[in-house]
Amino acid sequence: DTGVSQDPRHKITKRGQNVTFRCDPISEHNRLYWYRQTLGQGPEFLTYFQNEAQLEKSRLLSDRFSAERPKGSFSTLEIQRTEQGDSAMYLCASSTPAGSPYEQYFGPGTRLTVT
Amino acid sequence: GQNIDQPTEMTATEGAIVQINCTYQTSGFNGLFWYQQHAGEAPTFLSYNVLDGLEEKGRFSSFLSRSKGYSYLLLKELQMKDSASYLCAVRHLPPGAGSYQLTFGKGTKLSVIP
Repeated sequence: DTGVSQDPRHKITKRGQNVTFRCDPISEHNRLYWYRQTLGQGPEFLTYFQNEAQLEKSRLLSDRFSAERPKGSFSTLEIQRTEQGDSAMYLCASSTPAGSPYEQYFGPGTRLTVT
Repeated sequence: GQNIDQPTEMTATEGAIVQINCTYQTSGFNGLFWYQQHAGEAPTFLSYNVLDGLEEKGRFSSFLSRSKGYSYLLLKELQMKDSASYLCAVRHLPPGAGSYQLTFGKGTKLSVIP
């Protein structure tokens, strides 16, 4: 499978714990995006990488959230001191400027439940 | 800010045609996407419009009017497997941002009935 992969697919954690999610984009894609989606809503943009550089961060992204893409390939999203409001599906997507029309390919998501 | 509106739910009959509308207000517009999302799965790309007019792709077509801030997705010959949420997403350059972002509507949940 050469699509976007995410790990884990499901995570249940207690409030106050830290969690980390991983995303592996399509190999030739240099752009990587993180989104958060709650029930009945569309995905909300969180952050964007071009290669290893984090170029954009949403104002939604509090200081408890941090994302990295150290070698310009896979990315991690860490949430510190989780809160119940962090419960959501976390989606990763990737794209390439060579592609048309800037289509973003989404991974299967990591569903986070904070108890 | 960005505002994208689409109906919350629609129901249509197998074999019929359904039109899902999307209106948007945004700055720095650079294209409109439609994605399909089955329950519990990731969104998958359906169509993209950047110029006014109709783009046809098999059973699916998408229309854009930039002056009206309006798009629709047309699904023909509906099949049961078309039951899903359909997300309208606008590619735009937010004020102060250095790169384009994709902002999604809340999605329209389509139910196809026999």
